[in-house]
Amino acid sequence: NAGVTQTPKFQVLKTGQSMTLQCAQDMNHNSMYWYRQDPGMGLRLIYYSASEGTTDKGEVPNGYNVSRLNKREFSLRLESAAPSQTSVYFCASSPGTVNTGELFFGEGSRLTVL
Amino acid sequence: AQSVTQLDSQVPVFEEAPVELRCNYSSSVSVYLFWYVQYPNQGLQLLLKYLSGSTLVESINGFEAEFNKSQTSFHLRKPSVHISDTAEYFCAVTFNFGNEKLTFGTGTRLTIIP
Repeated sequence: NAGVTQTPKFQVLKTGQSMTLQCAQDMNHNSMYWYRQDPGMGLRLIYYSASEGTTDKGEVPNGYNVSRLNKREFSLRLESAAPSQTSVYFCASSPGTVNTGELFFGEGSRLTVL
Repeated sequence: AQSVTQLDSQVPVFEEAPVELRCNYSSSVSVYLFWYVQYPNQGLQLLLKYLSGSTLVESINGFEAEFNKSQTSFHLRKPSVHISDTAEYFCAVTFNFGNEKLTFGTGTRLTIIP
């Protein structure tokens, strides 16, 4: 019963370094999302993918890129990390659109950029 | 665009006392409303949702929320809280059509005092 799996759970980067956060879901869901969570700001959508082969920008896409590798996997890449990208990142999936269904979240990836 | 406001960032409550977590939304069209809960060091999980029908919705662990269209509110209540209810609670809103994404509030941290 894995659900949504994110790796790594923790990462420390230096400014300017790059990294990729991996996300996989085993529920055969169509839609996948990347959010960031910051204190006092709730969750903000970075990118989403409504179906395999499509991606769209969310509320805060600058500094990030995504790849929907297949139906199961949706990765988030930071090409040149900045301290402002220090955050907890959550991947989520939903069976169809988010409107009537629910989002299933991973346990999060805590990223610190020095 | 829709928005959601959670005025209380922290709510301390004694064990077995009642609690109300407030959520107000802003939208010019019909909406779907959700409450998500985040237990320490975990991802978010759906607590309850209002899509249509009865304005009072309930969760399996004793929480309930009432959709009030005239006051644009969706407050979360529980008549008697338990230590295990300690968590952060997020209200979320989306339009009830199209492929709109969830907009989350900034969260309310519920602390249960023994």
